[in-house]
Amino acid sequence: AQTVTQSQPEMSVQEAETVTLSCTYDTSESDYYLFWYKQPPSRQMILVIRQEAYKQQNATENRFSVNFQKAAKSFSLKISDSQLGDAAMYFCAYSPYSGAGSYQLTFGKGTKLSVIP
Amino acid sequence: NAGVTQTPKFQVLKTGQSMTLQCAQDMNHNSMYWYRQDPGMGLRLIYYSASEGTTDKGEVPNGYNVSRLNKREFSLRLESAAPSQTSVYFCASNRDRGYEQYFGPGTRLTVT
Repeated sequence: AQTVTQSQPEMSVQEAETVTLSCTYDTSESDYYLFWYKQPPSRQMILVIRQEAYKQQNATENRFSVNFQKAAKSFSLKISDSQLGDAAMYFCAYSPYSGAGSYQLTFGKGTKLSVIP
Repeated sequence: NAGVTQTPKFQVLKTGQSMTLQCAQDMNHNSMYWYRQDPGMGLRLIYYSASEGTTDKGEVPNGYNVSRLNKREFSLRLESAAPSQTSVYFCASNRDRGYEQYFGPGTRLTVT
């Protein structure tokens, strides 16, 4: 079974600074998808970024970028120029490309990010 | 576009009572999902429906049943609620596996 590990239960960052959230995963698949979701206090789950494992290029979305290291099974999220609205729980998630479980998103336990004004 | 809607937003049940959580999406998505979120945990998949007319178990299906009523609607039923089912329940949908899942606002369920 696949597992997703987020080793930092809580992190904090000063406003306008950069922070990196860590995620590692365990899989025997060669093709899969990785995601970062954000959950603010409103409880709404929002996609931050999506990465397809067969793509070498790291995904970026404005101030959010990932460092995808396939051999190391690592998928970290970098938030640049942090804003107060970035304060939230961040979840890393994995799903295989095909076969059994390909509809199942496996989530990590989350990292709570605080932004200090 | 309402996206994914869920009813109710909050519910309190007594042990042994039954209830159905409703979910609907207006994005013409093929696949729909039910998750639960417990404190200190990420979301865990209860059941999913890859397409209209099909349903499959996820990671934690025990104590739940689902119905994919049509392409838009996917309900989750608790036949005999237990305190262990106290959780926040999320419905989600996407066009197909691997695509972004869009989530509803969640239902906070307490079983006493």
